[in-house]
Amino acid sequence: SQQGEEDPQALSIQEGENATMNCSYKTSINNLQWYRQNSGRGLVHLILIRSNEREKHSGRLRVTLDTSKKSSSLLITASRAADTASYFCATDVDGSEKLVFGKGTKLTVNP
Amino acid sequence: DAGVIQSPRHEVTEMGQEVTLRCKPISGHNSLFWYRQTMMRGLELLIYFNNNVPIDDSGMPEDRFSAKMPNASFSTLKIQPSEPRDSAVYFCASSLPGPNKNIQYFGAGTRLSVL
Repeated sequence: SQQGEEDPQALSIQEGENATMNCSYKTSINNLQWYRQNSGRGLVHLILIRSNEREKHSGRLRVTLDTSKKSSSLLITASRAADTASYFCATDVDGSEKLVFGKGTKLTVNP
Repeated sequence: DAGVIQSPRHEVTEMGQEVTLRCKPISGHNSLFWYRQTMMRGLELLIYFNNNVPIDDSGMPEDRFSAKMPNASFSTLKIQPSEPRDSAVYFCASSLPGPNKNIQYFGAGTRLSVL
């Protein structure tokens, strides 16, 4: 069963705009990750945030984590057409190597 | 580094046939994961191995599915007999031991069509 649920399911923006995607989860976690999947390809790890962190940056990516609300957000600033992809959040399970993925947000960046 | 290598990339077979999917994890990674992705159900974990030992196979749909990892550099996922509802993209992923054990590296996937 899905642990994380992304919102919105689909997002369409213009190049240069910011894109924000949200993820909610149900149980306590040690870390949360965001992955990107281009059409017809495998998932690619973007960023990991640990449960004792509130915000993390990587290039144009900014991730926040609110463990009290069991939610996370991924912000992509100054989007580009190449950012068009599906974005998934993933949470660990009971401290194991196992991950549970949400169903993803499909982002379209129009040139 | 070649990344996680999966073969074949595409497989088309008829109902009732045996299908074998193959995966070579990244060298030095000690955990290997098999996932299935469909539009309806999203990305589902089927089974994962740690140091070649199956740890959690609770996601394997039924006895028609089996997975093996005979050594650290090779794993197979077998479906016998295959059914149309098995049509999906199957991904293999691997991860390193240690503090980043949850960061998974995915292969390009095998798109399976069962007619």
